[in-house]
Order: sequence, then C-alpha cells, then structure tokens
Amino acid sequence: DTAVSQTPKYLVTQMGNDKSIKCEQNLGHDTMYWYKQDSKKFLKIMFSYNNKELIINETVPNRFSPKSPDKAHLNLHINSLELGDSAVYFCASSPSRGNIQYFGAGTRLSVL
Amino acid sequence: GDSVTQMEGPVTLSEEAFLTINCTYTATGYPSLFWYVQYPGEGLQLLLKATKADDKGSNKGFEATYRKETTSFHLEKGSVQVSDSAVYFCALSDREASGGSYIPTFGRGTSLIVHP
Repeated sequence: DTAVSQTPKYLVTQMGNDKSIKCEQNLGHDTMYWYKQDSKKFLKIMFSYNNKELIINETVPNRFSPKSPDKAHLNLHINSLELGDSAVYFCASSPSRGNIQYFGAGTRLSVL
Repeated sequence: GDSVTQMEGPVTLSEEAFLTINCTYTATGYPSLFWYVQYPGEGLQLLLKATKADDKGSNKGFEATYRKETTSFHLEKGSVQVSDSAVYFCALSDREASGGSYIPTFGRGTSLIVHP
C-alpha cells in the first residue's frame, strides 16, 4: 500500500486554467507538506499543515491555495496557471513530533 | 535563517569507486540532519539521519557523521554501484515553536552518475 499518494501523476494544461492536485497519506501522520521542485532539482517548501492547521506558508503567490479537509489529506489548488508554474510538485508527511519526511511520487505539471 | 550547502554535481564515478558528497549547514538551533535520495521518476526517500553531535547515520552502505564543530554531514560510501545513480539531498530539520513541528530545509541536491 502506498503511504503517500498523489494524483494525478502528470498534468498538462494551458495557461490561465485552474487545476488541483490531491494528496492522501495513510501513515497516521499529523503534518503534511507541499514542495515544488524545479527543473534543476531544487526543492522548495511551499506549505505545511499540522492537524488541518496551516503552520508554514512560504512566499508563494496567492494563486496557490492549500486545503486540508482532514489530517490525512492535503490538496493544492492553483488558479490562473502560468508558464513558471511548470515543475514537479511533491506532497510529504511526517509525524508531528518526529521529523522524517515521507514523500509521494510527485505530480509533474506542464503549463503550455 | 537555516541553510544547507552541498557540492554541485554531477558527480561521475566508475563502479566500486569511493564516494563523498559534501554537506555543510547553518542553523539557529540544534537541528537533526538527513540525507535523502531521489531515484529517477520517484519522490525523495530517507537514506539516513543523525540527531545529535557525533552520531553516525548509516544505511545501504552509506554513512554520514554529524560534525557539530565543522557544521558538516558529509555522505560517504566505500564502493558505489550503478544502482546508486540518483540525486542526493542533504537536509536539516529545526524545531518550530508551535505544534512541535519541524521546519525542513533542503540542499540543492547532488546528482550521482555511476558507470559500469
């Protein structure tokens, strides 16, 4: 069973569209994260939720909005997609008082 | 703020060669240190960790020692294999005040290519 699963794995869309990426973890962790990885493999944290509460919100355009309906899910909605949003987006989770991160397989977003 | 600096890649080696990937860090607190590995087309996965000074993390023949005096956590392997070809990330996790959650900081990643 996949511990952290993201859907879709690939997302190809046009500029200006709105899209969502879903993430679910079955590890019972309290904390979940979204990361963006660019073409040079640089990994940047975007958001983190702990028990459905936003605890990390890095400098990210407000076109990006995370939503956590429960502590096992953290979805990412992106409005008005731009070319520069093309990247691989990773979801991760960790125990609230531990610090090892468990990553999903990633969603490759291509904005045309 | 916290930061992690690791050597730029790619690092290209022949099979059975010795590997070192350097990692140094700056942190305001007393962080835990990690190495993650990302195989092509996959997410990152933990390779090893160390939580206090002089701890040695090890896994799959890889080792790294937490050196507080030099703020370093260099990754080593005595004999690499083709299957070790991947991107390696050094990371630290420093304690955040609210909720007991840890703020992660990653290095830029070092690509390792091992030839037969």
